[in-house]
Amino acid sequence: SAVISQKPSRDICQRGTSLTIQCQVDSQVTMMFWYRQQPGQSLTLIATANQGSEATYESGFVIDKFPISRPNLTFSTLTVSNMSPEDSSIYLCSVSGTGGYTGELFFGEGSRLTVL
Amino acid sequence: GDSVTQMEGPVTLSEEAFLTINCTYTATGYPSLFWYVQYPGEGLQLLLKATKADDKGSNKGFEATYRKETTSFHLEKGSVQVSDSAVYFCALSDQPGTYKYIFGTGTRLKVLA
Repeated sequence: SAVISQKPSRDICQRGTSLTIQCQVDSQVTMMFWYRQQPGQSLTLIATANQGSEATYESGFVIDKFPISRPNLTFSTLTVSNMSPEDSSIYLCSVSGTGGYTGELFFGEGSRLTVL
Repeated sequence: GDSVTQMEGPVTLSEEAFLTINCTYTATGYPSLFWYVQYPGEGLQLLLKATKADDKGSNKGFEATYRKETTSFHLEKGSVQVSDSAVYFCALSDQPGTYKYIFGTGTRLKVLA
């Protein structure tokens, strides 16, 4: 298993600003993922972040808008850049397990962003 | 493309009532199916899973059977407790060996004492 801490848990931001969300894991994991959950919508994968390589973005998400860092095996950040009200969402960090493939993901509590 | 459809919530039940949360999916291949649960103030956590047709996943009194003929993976529990109050997410993964999921929108369950 893995215990994930995200910061901030919630924030209210002004249009045009940027915010960085931190994700700290209590164990070394290979694969980390960032999801977005817009109001009333399902979770949508933004990108996969593996240590030592560039993040891989899903269709509809670009690095300029959602830059990601993955400096080591226990930490990652997601920045939401030049925010607009449409970016108001819950952003979730998740990781794969530390053993072999199980298909199971572990999630942080999420960071709820409101953009005014 | 692949998709997951869940019944809309909130679902409100009395303690010891029977629970069913419907989940149907659309997929081109043979996906693995999952139910995740999010308790208040916590992250999503895996509740149960099934990887092939007719498999039954079970955990904490919850069950779900992979029905390929009806493309469904309904979550059931015979007697809910107040502590089961949470948001339940149905999900599929159609790429073996990856962690690429498609999630449903979640169903909020509230159990009253």
